[in-house]
Amino acid sequence: QKEVEQNSGPLSVPEGAIASLNCTYSDRGSQSFFWYRQYSGKSPELIMFIYSNGDKEDGRFTAQLNKASQYVSLLIRDSQPSDSATYLCAVNVQTSYDKVIFGPGTSLSVIP
Amino acid sequence: GAVVSQHPSRVICKSGTSVKIECRSLDFQATTMFWYRQFPKQSLMLMATSNEGSKATYEQGVEKDKFLINHASLTLSTLTVTSAHPEDSSFYICSATGGDQPQHFGDGTRLSIL
Repeated sequence: QKEVEQNSGPLSVPEGAIASLNCTYSDRGSQSFFWYRQYSGKSPELIMFIYSNGDKEDGRFTAQLNKASQYVSLLIRDSQPSDSATYLCAVNVQTSYDKVIFGPGTSLSVIP
Repeated sequence: GAVVSQHPSRVICKSGTSVKIECRSLDFQATTMFWYRQFPKQSLMLMATSNEGSKATYEQGVEKDKFLINHASLTLSTLTVTSAHPEDSSFYICSATGGDQPQHFGDGTRLSIL
């Protein structure tokens, strides 16, 4: 059974701090990794994707990938109350380029 | 960014009714579309994978005769919930991918069966 695991939270950080979200996956053959943000009652929105080991930065967001450790993380710098949402980690299935498995999500709350 | 349109956004209907949900990719060719269901405070559950011009692949436990999926073109997939019952009430979300596009989600359809 291929799995993607995340701490469910809630994770609370003060406004302006760095929020760190973590994700581990079981399929060693996975090549594509995604972070989605989902506000309550809304559908997921793609924030970042990463394919190679190392860091990838986009504005206040940095995705970090370590395939050897089967670990991917998302850092949010200068956290804002509007960042409060559930963050879903998604990992592709080795046997399918397009199909991904979603983690259960981490609830983030940014306190003003 | 890529846009996926899903309609309707909300449906309220009586038990026994069949409900059709449309998912369209507006600015890219979606070779693959996915249908998910999400219950309150739970993660996304993949129901089926739909490839243009071929039969959908259903996940274990999902009744293919109850959840009919059609992907007739590179921009449109439909999910029909047949003879819906209250336990089918949920948030249904489609996503589309194709070419170098990762999955992009529609806005979801909130289905309430009375």
